[in-house]
Amino acid sequence: NAGVTQTPKFRVLKTGQSMTLLCAQDMNHEYMYWYRQDPGMGLRLIHYSVGEGTTAKGEVPDGYNVSRLKKQNFLLGLESAAPSQTSVYFCASNRQGDTEAFFGQGTRLTVV
Amino acid sequence: QKEVEQDPGPLSVPEGAIVSLNCTYSNSAFQYFMWYRQYSRKGPELLMYTYSSGNKEDGRFTAQVDKSSKYISLFIRDSQPSDSATYLCAMSVGSVDSWGKLQFGAGTQVVVTP
Repeated sequence: NAGVTQTPKFRVLKTGQSMTLLCAQDMNHEYMYWYRQDPGMGLRLIHYSVGEGTTAKGEVPDGYNVSRLKKQNFLLGLESAAPSQTSVYFCASNRQGDTEAFFGQGTRLTVV
Repeated sequence: QKEVEQDPGPLSVPEGAIVSLNCTYSNSAFQYFMWYRQYSRKGPELLMYTYSSGNKEDGRFTAQVDKSSKYISLFIRDSQPSDSATYLCAMSVGSVDSWGKLQFGAGTQVVVTP
């Protein structure tokens, strides 16, 4: 049982480039989330999804887009990367009605 | 002002000591209170969670919630070097459309020295 898997684990982008982060979970969870973690800021919610085909904005959604075409996958896109998006990105999922969220190992993104 | 405040530390303690961690919050709608442990370069993992006010104990770990003071605590007894990690408090309103929408504190780095 892999849990929550994030791809890639590391990436360096140049300003203005685009990329997609992939999150896959094998627990049949309805809810999925993308967080970013910055020093001194804790984790902040970017976007989330309460089911296949649905997405919603979190606390810091600007500069990101998401899609949930399949229940097990949640994609986070950066259309035009900026240095301010240098961060560690975590995907999480949980079952509806269950507060415990399971996190992936993170993606370390550096934008230069 | 952040909704959840947590001292980032670092907090250094000798092995066997009691580690005391806490968070304060401003949103009185929070109902679920969690502590996550995060090892270096890993994802957070749930350590304990409490619904509403009260205490919860699990082995060496005790979580306390005081909703009247908007204050939560985590105590680690008989601390071990393996407890060295960053501890994140997290809170949720827990409504139907917000399961898992967590507000995190900044995290406190704990170092337990042998």
